[in-house]
Amino acid sequence: AQSVTQLGSHVSVSEGALVLLRCNYSSSVPPYLFWYVQYPNQGLQLLLKYTSAATLVKGINGFEAEFKKSETSFHLTKPSAHMSDAAEYFCAVSLSGYSTLTFGKGTMLLVSP
Amino acid sequence: DTGVSQDPRHKITKRGQNVTFRCDPISEHNRLYWYRQTLGQGPEFLTYFQNEAQLEKSRLLSDRFSAERPKGSFSTLEIQRTEQGDSAMYLCASSRPGLAGGFTGELFFGEGSRLTVL
Repeated sequence: AQSVTQLGSHVSVSEGALVLLRCNYSSSVPPYLFWYVQYPNQGLQLLLKYTSAATLVKGINGFEAEFKKSETSFHLTKPSAHMSDAAEYFCAVSLSGYSTLTFGKGTMLLVSP
Repeated sequence: DTGVSQDPRHKITKRGQNVTFRCDPISEHNRLYWYRQTLGQGPEFLTYFQNEAQLEKSRLLSDRFSAERPKGSFSTLEIQRTEQGDSAMYLCASSRPGLAGGFTGELFFGEGSRLTVL
């Protein structure tokens, strides 16, 4: 069965600093990987996805993630944090032929002025 | 898109009572999903429909839970004889088919229905 592990339930950064949210996956076959974001009082929305094309994936709001098979990782980064990035971020995995997502526990990103 | 809507947004009930949640997906989306989220956890898959057919159910979906999507549009999730452990946010999501009808991985979530069982 596939799964994802997000390291750190909370990450705090200063405005303008690098954002790095970590996600490691476990899968016996090549996975499809996703990052979702949940802003306060809103539904989850897709930030970006990896589906076996380019290993560096760019998403909305300046976020990007790199699929590294050797490290079984799919970390989310943004060069410069903005106050509006404060939200909870979820990594998720799916497999070819499946139609469901398995989510990690989430990482709350806190951005201070 | 008008978005995925869920009703009610909040429900407080006493242990042993039945509750029903409704989800209206985005109109052209043929797949509809139910997830459950508890504090400190990510969304956990419960079940999903393609049109009116319920194609997959999680082992989390005990026999007290039942979901329907009778006409392939809105869906209901009923919990019978609620227990305190059922307290959670129940999330509904919908998605459109990808190329050749495949899974795109892009789910559009509603804001959720929060259940509190006293």
